[in-house]
Amino acid sequence: DGGITQSPKYLFRKEGQNVTLSCEQNLNHDAMYWYRQDPGQGLRLIYYSQIVNDFQKGDIAEGYSVSREKKESFPLTVTSAQKNPTAFYLCASTQAGRAFFGQGTRLTVV
Amino acid sequence: KQEVTQIPAALSVPEGENLVLNCSFTDSAIYNLQWFRQDPGKGLTSLLLIQSSQREQTSGRLNASLDKSSGRSTLYIAASQPGDSATYLCAVWGGSWETSGSRLTFGEGTQLTVNP
Repeated sequence: DGGITQSPKYLFRKEGQNVTLSCEQNLNHDAMYWYRQDPGQGLRLIYYSQIVNDFQKGDIAEGYSVSREKKESFPLTVTSAQKNPTAFYLCASTQAGRAFFGQGTRLTVV
Repeated sequence: KQEVTQIPAALSVPEGENLVLNCSFTDSAIYNLQWFRQDPGKGLTSLLLIQSSQREQTSGRLNASLDKSSGRSTLYIAASQPGDSATYLCAVWGGSWETSGSRLTFGEGTQLTVNP
């Protein structure tokens, strides 16, 4: 099956820890995106990448980092600098203006 | 900066009713517009994609229209069913797809409940 796989589905982070969210796609799409979703605020763009080894900051990049070493993979690291990381994180890939999303990772600070 | 607004924020209707969800955007220079459905705790499922040169798209009981000049789109759901209960999100691609930095901007969604 072609699609976008996000893992894990649920993730718990202790104060001061870095955690990495995985996003893998087998759709052969060039562009990949990370969004954060909070209740009542819609989706906000964290980072995006339109080609391997290149990525750009979105609207809320502070406290996050990404890499794009392979076309299929776009992992997101939530660093200790992100003060309010509890949210639902969604990864997407796009081709010809159509976006496809993974099933999301819910991150909770404990 | 592109801003997308969806009205109403929440809607509750009896089964069988036809309904309209509204989406407006501030910058009419869009590449396309996409409607999504999101079930609680899940990712987004694409429903309809309207290219900027198109006026509407249809899929089953769903019909989406686009009026770029007025910055509006509507999603029409015919003969609503309890299984249609979900949050519906509108998103627009701003600018030219060919230029670096084209991005998808989302509205906050309309939470729909269809009561049996």
